[in-house]
Amino acid sequence: KAGVTQTPRYLIKTRGQQVTLSCSPISGHRSVSWYQQTPGQGLQFLFEYFSETQRNKGNFPGRFSGRQFSNSRSEMNVSTLELGDSALYLCASSLEGTGPNTEAFFGQGTRLTVV
Amino acid sequence: AQKVTQAQTEISVVEKEDVTLDCVYETRDTTYYLFWYKQPPSGELVFLIRRNSFDEQNEISGRYSWNFQKSTSSFNFTITASQVVDSAVYFCALSEEDTPLVFGKGTRLSVIA
Repeated sequence: KAGVTQTPRYLIKTRGQQVTLSCSPISGHRSVSWYQQTPGQGLQFLFEYFSETQRNKGNFPGRFSGRQFSNSRSEMNVSTLELGDSALYLCASSLEGTGPNTEAFFGQGTRLTVV
Repeated sequence: AQKVTQAQTEISVVEKEDVTLDCVYETRDTTYYLFWYKQPPSGELVFLIRRNSFDEQNEISGRYSWNFQKSTSSFNFTITASQVVDSAVYFCALSEEDTPLVFGKGTRLSVIA
């Protein structure tokens, strides 16, 4: 069974640009969540998509957005990049959601560097 | 509000020593769920265990064991006879009903041969 696939693995962007990250969940999983990991703030929840609808949202500015397609693949977009957006972005896949009843499987992440 | 505290930022042990990683949580809900994840250098978070608030039984899985104590709001993780392959960052996490995971800051464990 294939795991969670995140592309690209590494990305370097310039301040002010925008970026799109992709996540392919495990086959059959309908929930995809995104997390930002930085040395200072740790792992912070961005948002969760379930059956193409955003179900939960973390405390991030509107520059961070996402969507989910009918095949459950998800994309995350960050516009007007800032230096502080440099982080490891992790995607988590689960059957029904990142709530209590299912375990979340994580991808290897996309390491974004903003220069 | 949910909160998870992992007071130990870094721990270093010699191979074959036992090591305990501490996790203290805060929640107002009576129903909640606790998790431990391992993050090796490759980056992905690997699920280790999930425990719900109504099940205080301790659990053992091979060299890993978990001690859940509601009285002290703690969910500690012990690795017995540590090995170099156990070197990683370990995260404790908490979720309430229908809420996303809230993670602690993590504990970096280094096991020295």
